[in-house]
Amino acid sequence: GQNIDQPTEMTATEGAIVQINCTYQTSGFNGLFWYQQHAGEAPTFLSYNVLDGLEEKGRFSSFLSRSKGYSYLLLKELQMKDSASYLCAVRSTWGDYKLSFGAGTTVTVRA
Amino acid sequence: KAGVTQTPRYLIKTRGQQVTLSCSPISGHRSVSWYQQTPGQGLQFLFEYFSETQRNKGNFPGRFSGRQFSNSRSEMNVSTLELGDSALYLCASSPEGVGNEQFFGPGTRLTVL
Repeated sequence: GQNIDQPTEMTATEGAIVQINCTYQTSGFNGLFWYQQHAGEAPTFLSYNVLDGLEEKGRFSSFLSRSKGYSYLLLKELQMKDSASYLCAVRSTWGDYKLSFGAGTTVTVRA
Repeated sequence: KAGVTQTPRYLIKTRGQQVTLSCSPISGHRSVSWYQQTPGQGLQFLFEYFSETQRNKGNFPGRFSGRQFSNSRSEMNVSTLELGDSALYLCASSPEGVGNEQFFGPGTRLTVL
């Protein structure tokens, strides 16, 4: 089975840094995705990790440790528009588009 | 390029009815996946189609079915609707081969009364 855990909610101040953790226990592993979903909108792709280490994309970075079944998404220089739900998803099989999603972390950015 | 489109955007049905949702992927994308999103369960995978063939299936009852046409457009059907089927149904498309990204459509909000 697939078990993907992430915190339900996080609150941070504009300009600050927030780290969203994701732990997973899945029957296989071939990549971890982070998606951002604003209320009432479709999820949009943020990052993809398949090897251990840090991937940086502007203000967003994602880290993966396969041995620990652990990933985090780091949001730097928070802006009000970053208030959204952040979804961690795992692909179990290479070439497979079946993703298992965590429940999502709602991030609220306060002025 | 136009994004993934889904129709209708909103739908209200009553228990026992059936419903068909439509998804048009990004031009050139041959993989289409369907997900159900509810507040309690989050995003759950329904099925994936590639070149008119179902490649993967999630853990949903047989009332949920789908198909893909030769132009890659996809439809999903839910028969004998139940109250618990009320959800946002999202479609996502991906390019041919092993792509790293799925592009989601805006979803169809289904309410079952």
